Amino acid sequence: EADIYQTPRYLVIGTGKKITLECSQTMGHDKMYWYQQDPGMELHLIHYSYGVNSTEKGDLSSESTVSRIRTEHFPLTLESARPSHTSQYLCASSPGQGSTDTQYFGPGTRLTVL
Amino acid sequence: GEDVEQSLFLSVREGDSSVINCTYTDSSSTYLYWYKQEPGAGLQLLTYIFSNMDMKQDQRLTVLLNKKDKHLSLRIADTQTGDSAIYFCAETPLVRKLIFGQGTELSVKP
Repeated sequence: EADIYQTPRYLVIGTGKKITLECSQTMGHDKMYWYQQDPGMELHLIHYSYGVNSTEKGDLSSESTVSRIRTEHFPLTLESARPSHTSQYLCASSPGQGSTDTQYFGPGTRLTVL
Repeated sequence: GEDVEQSLFLSVREGDSSVINCTYTDSSSTYLYWYKQEPGAGLQLLTYIFSNMDMKQDQRLTVLLNKKDKHLSLRIADTQTGDSAIYFCAETPLVRKLIFGQGTELSVKP
């Protein structure tokens, strides 16, 4: 059982607001990831981190930003939310060591921007 | 290019076996994964298989890997209504990321 948490689970917000999606894991994993899941169900990597103070853009361009100040915490921020940001956001983490480096997912945040 | 393909829908009757298929593109993928997503939830790791294996069995789940054809399948024996979910296969062409398929929605009818 993976211990990775996301808050809020659901968020409905107006255009132009600044929002931060929280992601925390208690497993001491070095690597963390953010995925965006569109209505067609496909997942796209938007950000990842190999460790503290390390962040990189993923495959899908995103206007969001991330930070990794602590190992266990990987928040995602949208400075000015727009309806096009409406999606499901999934956070994941992996040990960063060992041969499998399996990713474990949080429950997700469903964001709706009006 | 990187592309993982799955059929979008599968419908079975309770008690039957389900087989979900996946094709991937990168033969360098070391591990291949199956994840399950229930409505409104995140992804739950079901199982994974190392690329030098042909088969892996875990209770009701059987994973078959045909590396020559880059084909992966997940068989669920004695499918139950609680197995209704979306199933994603994923490959790992590079150490740092997973490439997911579009997901197969499994519907189990009583």
